[in-house]
Amino acid sequence: GDSVTQMEGPVTLSEEAFLTINCTYTATGYPSLFWYVQYPGEGLQLLLKATKADDKGSNKGFEATYRKETTSFHLEKGSVQVSDSAVYFCALSSNTGKLIFGQGTTLQVKP
Amino acid sequence: EAQVTQNPRYLITVTGKKLTVTCSQNMNHEYMSWYRQDPGLGLRQIYYSMNVEVTDKGDVPEGYKVSRKEKRNFPLILESPSPNQTSLYFCASSTRTGMNIQYFGAGTRLSVL
Repeated sequence: GDSVTQMEGPVTLSEEAFLTINCTYTATGYPSLFWYVQYPGEGLQLLLKATKADDKGSNKGFEATYRKETTSFHLEKGSVQVSDSAVYFCALSSNTGKLIFGQGTTLQVKP
Repeated sequence: EAQVTQNPRYLITVTGKKLTVTCSQNMNHEYMSWYRQDPGLGLRQIYYSMNVEVTDKGDVPEGYKVSRKEKRNFPLILESPSPNQTSLYFCASSTRTGMNIQYFGAGTRLSVL
């Protein structure tokens, strides 16, 4: 079945460091791909998405490119801030429309 | 303000004592869903509903019940809670055609002793 695998956390970075959170997927067909973010004490919210191969999703300085050849959707940000500390979930939309989430990666940014 | 509201936010209970977690959305969404979040396992879907009076099992439905009598409400019922249902629960909603963009409540942290 469809699945999403994220890199293990927690990831701890200093402010202004470069961030990469790896995400790979297994799916039949051509799913849409998403990154959701969960700030402390809050529910998940959509961060960015990409609906087809080579699409780049971007929002709030974060970017991710849909790579069909490597079945990946890695999240990147050039310069993280303390306010980016959160749990990040990679997800795909299956052919039934259902969202399938990875296990989440905790990011902690220190001043 | 568009939102999904869950209550309570925190709940401590004992094994076997029936409980209900409420979920309400004000966006007129057809689709609603319940997830549980556990360390290392991410979010797993418990139940979902495509519209009023239409509900279906997700990946981990055992020990849970839901109902969808009104479009805005989707309560999660634990008839006889057990310690393995200790978890963080999220309700989410979306349009029927936009199920991949879901709006989440703030979560309910449940501890079953």
